Amino acid sequence: DAGVIQSPRHEVTEMGQEVTLRCKPISGHDYLFWYRQTMMRGLELLIYFNNNVPIDDSGMPEDRFSAKMPNASFSTLKIQPSEPRDSAVYFCASSPPGQGNSPLHFGNGTRLTVT
Amino acid sequence: EDKVVQSPLSLVVHEGDTVTLNCSYEVTNFRSLLWYKQEKKAPTFLFMLTSSGIEKKSGRLSSILDKKELSSILNITATQTGDSAIYLCAPSRGYQKVTFGTGTKLQVIP
Repeated sequence: DAGVIQSPRHEVTEMGQEVTLRCKPISGHDYLFWYRQTMMRGLELLIYFNNNVPIDDSGMPEDRFSAKMPNASFSTLKIQPSEPRDSAVYFCASSPPGQGNSPLHFGNGTRLTVT
Repeated sequence: EDKVVQSPLSLVVHEGDTVTLNCSYEVTNFRSLLWYKQEKKAPTFLFMLTSSGIEKKSGRLSSILDKKELSSILNITATQTGDSAIYLCAPSRGYQKVTFGTGTKLQVIP
């Protein structure tokens, strides 16, 4: 079991550029989550999917953020255009079926810096 | 809006000390409470608590939930430098809707 795999590990970009973060969940997990972590706000849920369908995107900060899950083994989080306040660590997590009560398995995160 | 408050925000102790970390929550349709440990990278799962008064233990770590008081504590006995981390409390209202606290940063010094 390779765990949740995120890429890239680090991303440095200039304000206004498009950023795409990628995630491969653990095989067999049918929930996928995108979180953002900052010192000020801690871990915030952005969006989550169940069986590739977005269930709750109320945490997506604004229209500049979008997420897709085209199949069970891949998801992307895109920011376009990026702004300095988007700088954070973005975590992807997955969990197995379990009546919504299973622990999350996190990837190692993507540290995004927008200058 | 769901609320999670952890205390203290940070803590510095010496190896061998015992620590108690606190978590209080206000969550609609509460189902369970999870504790995670975050070192340098990803949070890793420690405990899931669903019933009041039943202590869960893993080595030197233990945790208990009080649904009446809407709170939980995480105890670490005989602390070691490897326990240094941020400890996150995360109440869940099912369907994988988890709200994380901002965490308690624990530093254990030799």
